[in-house]
Amino acid sequence: NAGVMQNPRHLVRRRGQEARLRCSPMKGHSHVYWYRQLPEEGLKFMVYLQKENIIDESGMPKERFSAEFPKEGPSILRIQQVVRGDSAAYFCASRGQGASTGELFFGEGSRLTVL
Amino acid sequence: SQQGEEDPQALSIQEGENATMNCSYKTSINNLQWYRQNSGRGLVHLILIRSNEREKHSGRLRVTLDTSKKSSSLLITASRAADTASYFCATDARGAQKLVFGQGTRLTINP
Repeated sequence: NAGVMQNPRHLVRRRGQEARLRCSPMKGHSHVYWYRQLPEEGLKFMVYLQKENIIDESGMPKERFSAEFPKEGPSILRIQQVVRGDSAAYFCASRGQGASTGELFFGEGSRLTVL
Repeated sequence: SQQGEEDPQALSIQEGENATMNCSYKTSINNLQWYRQNSGRGLVHLILIRSNEREKHSGRLRVTLDTSKKSSSLLITASRAADTASYFCATDARGAQKLVFGQGTRLTINP
């Protein structure tokens, strides 16, 4: 049973380009979270999605950032017109059903470097 | 803003000693969780303690929760070099439907 799969693990983009980060949750999980981590810091919540729905996007910048979790396929975090400040590690996590937030299963992260 | 605040930010001890990390939070919670992150890797769940629990054990880990003080502690007994990692507390605030992470404690175990 594969864990949470993220790709690419490393991505280099020039300023103004687009970055697309993918996350396949654990089998059977329908809740996906995206977090961002700067070096030597904690994880900052970005967005919480269930299949085809955005539940909470309060941590996501209003411009240039978008996320989706379609009925079929992985969740995608998209960053348009990247700037140097977008350089960070982006982690995806998934969980199974349940009213409160139980254990999250994390991927290994996608490390974005903007030149 | 971050919900959890951990201290110390960094801790360095000798192998075999016990390591204690503390976490404070601000709002009412459903549960509090501790995670570990090795350098360059994703987070791994260690233990979850519910708001109606006061103490929980798992192997060499002991977690306490004091909801009146809005604080938790993680104790790692008989530390090993392989315990070197960053440790994060995360809170599931009531009504929030997400985990909010603290800044973490960087633990170094010296052989």
